[in-house]
Amino acid sequence: DAGVIQSPRHEVTEMGQEVTLRCKPISGHNSLFWYRQTMMRGLELLIYFNNNVPIDDSGMPEDRFSAKMPNASFSTLKIQPSEPRDSAVYFCASSLAGIPPGELFFGEGSRLTVL
Amino acid sequence: GEDVEQSLFLSVREGDSSVINCTYTDSSSTYLYWYKQEPGAGLQLLTYIFSNMDMKQDQRLTVLLNKKDKHLSLRIADTQTGDSAIYFCAETLNQAGTALIFGKGTTLSVSS
Repeated sequence: DAGVIQSPRHEVTEMGQEVTLRCKPISGHNSLFWYRQTMMRGLELLIYFNNNVPIDDSGMPEDRFSAKMPNASFSTLKIQPSEPRDSAVYFCASSLAGIPPGELFFGEGSRLTVL
Repeated sequence: GEDVEQSLFLSVREGDSSVINCTYTDSSSTYLYWYKQEPGAGLQLLTYIFSNMDMKQDQRLTVLLNKKDKHLSLRIADTQTGDSAIYFCAETLNQAGTALIFGKGTTLSVSS
């Protein structure tokens, strides 16, 4: 079975440009999470959706960040305009509430470098 | 708010036991988790423990939970070079238990 699919795997862009990261969750999963990983701050939860509805976006750092989930099989995380401090690995994860409820399946991540 | 603390590095020799420690803040977490991240990959669930348990054993892995002190540990017996990875402790953020807060991760380095 296909796991969580993220694209692009790597992106290098210049400050001020718009960045769009994409995620396809595992089919049938009803929760989707966006995390950001940096050396300094570790793994931070940015936003999560349940049944395509955003539940908690308190981790989104600024108004420059936005996330959407138009349907059960696709989500985007957009940064506009991007800044060098946004450089990080962005992970998407999905889950299906079960036992345990916190079994998240992670994608391989999108490594973003903003110059 | 929720917070999970871990030491950042652990270095052991092949064949030794590794113990990774974690403290958490949310006493209402029904489950607590250990995830593993190998280089260039996402995190994978390694094991978990239900909050009414003190200990859980799964092959070479032993999880100990001290609810009074909010302390969680992961012991890996007979550590192998293939165990070299980053290990994350996690507690739950929401009532449903589906959203997780992770520690910064402990990098385990195993030398032969």
